[in-house]
Order: sequence, then C-alpha cells, then structure tokens
Amino acid sequence: DAKTTQPPSMDCAEGRAANLPCNHSTISGNEYVYWYRQIHSQGPQYIIHGLKNNETNEMASLIITEDRKSSTLILPHATLRDTAVYYCIVRLISNFGNEKLTFGTGTRLTIIP
Amino acid sequence: DSGVTQTPKHLITATGQRVTLRCSPRSGDLSVYWYQQSLDQGLQFLIQYYNGEERAKGNILERFSAQQFPDLHSELNLSSLELGDSALYFCASSAYTDTQYFGPGTRLTVL
Repeated sequence: DAKTTQPPSMDCAEGRAANLPCNHSTISGNEYVYWYRQIHSQGPQYIIHGLKNNETNEMASLIITEDRKSSTLILPHATLRDTAVYYCIVRLISNFGNEKLTFGTGTRLTIIP
Repeated sequence: DSGVTQTPKHLITATGQRVTLRCSPRSGDLSVYWYQQSLDQGLQFLIQYYNGEERAKGNILERFSAQQFPDLHSELNLSSLELGDSALYFCASSAYTDTQYFGPGTRLTVL
C-alpha cells in the first residue's frame, strides 16, 4: 500500500469548514483513498472513499487532485463532536478480495468552541 | 452504530492467563478482520477471515489465534498473556470488496 502523510494536528473553529490534507504521492492507479476517524477510544468510523473523482456524502466531501498525489477531506460545518483523529488510508481493492487497512498516525483535529 | 458487535467491552486479567474476544459481523458480511491498538504501536492489523477461512495475516503473535465459525462470528484467542498485550482490540467486517466497518472494541488490561 502507498504511504500517506498527514499533519499531526489541526484546530478548526466550530461552524467553520475543516479541511484535512493528505499526501499520497506514491499512490498507484488501482488504489483508493479512504478516510476514517476515531473519536477518543471508540472504533474507527468510516467517513468516505474515492478513486479519482471528488466524492460527497452526508458526512464529508473528498477532493482528490487530478494527479491523485494528494487529497483533502472537508467537513463542511464542523461541530464539537467532530473532534477526533482522522486517518487517511490508501488501500488496494483487488479481485482477490478485501485488503487490510494500514493506519498511520493520522491528524488530531480539535474543534474550538 | 456500525452493526458490528464485540464482547466483552472490558476485560481485566492477569499475566499468563488466556482470554477469548468475540465479534459478530454486520449481517451479510463474510469478512472479519482483527486489529490491535496499543499506545505505542497505533492500530495494527492482526488477521483476516473470509467465510470461515483465514485470508491474511499481519503482525499476529504465535500466542494469539483466531477463528471464524459457520454463523460467521469470530473469536480471537489470546494466551500466555503479558503486560504488553494490554490494548484495545477491534474487529471489523466487510463484504467481499467493500468498506470495512469497525466494532466498538474490547479493552484488555493485563495486570
């Protein structure tokens, strides 16, 4: 799996958009970008994933650059409950089945009231 | 709620003992994964089962073993426990090539 680089920590004011960057310059053509978050010691929570195109769901938006070497997770209106560690993961999905997730150290996002 | 359940929530035991952690995947998911999260190692993949068969192995110690039963629930067995085995243990499940969804975890404390 390609390696990812994320800032160790970020702050964001409540109600503002939180933009979390991720660098994955060695990503290959059939690797997806996944985002998970972990609130305190709870189980990691799936947020969103994408291959090439930008994606949006009820939780967040994922913007992937055209060269796919980096991406940004956007939480449009951050709330205090969004305080968590956010993990950007590059993952291969092959015809041989699902692949393990390799977690890095993530970005600790703190939402400031 | 991800639909993945894990029991027990907390487990406190002594060194040298053996424990069993249980995971029930989401309805319809055939793949089960086990991950360990300790303070110094972060989240690490241990092992994956697909429809009862071992599919992939990560950094799983020989003292640890797992299995997936015909009803698709899985158990992680940890034996000869050491202080360093204290950690959060998470189970995740997925369909064949789909997203992994995590359970709430079991916190193991070895005294």
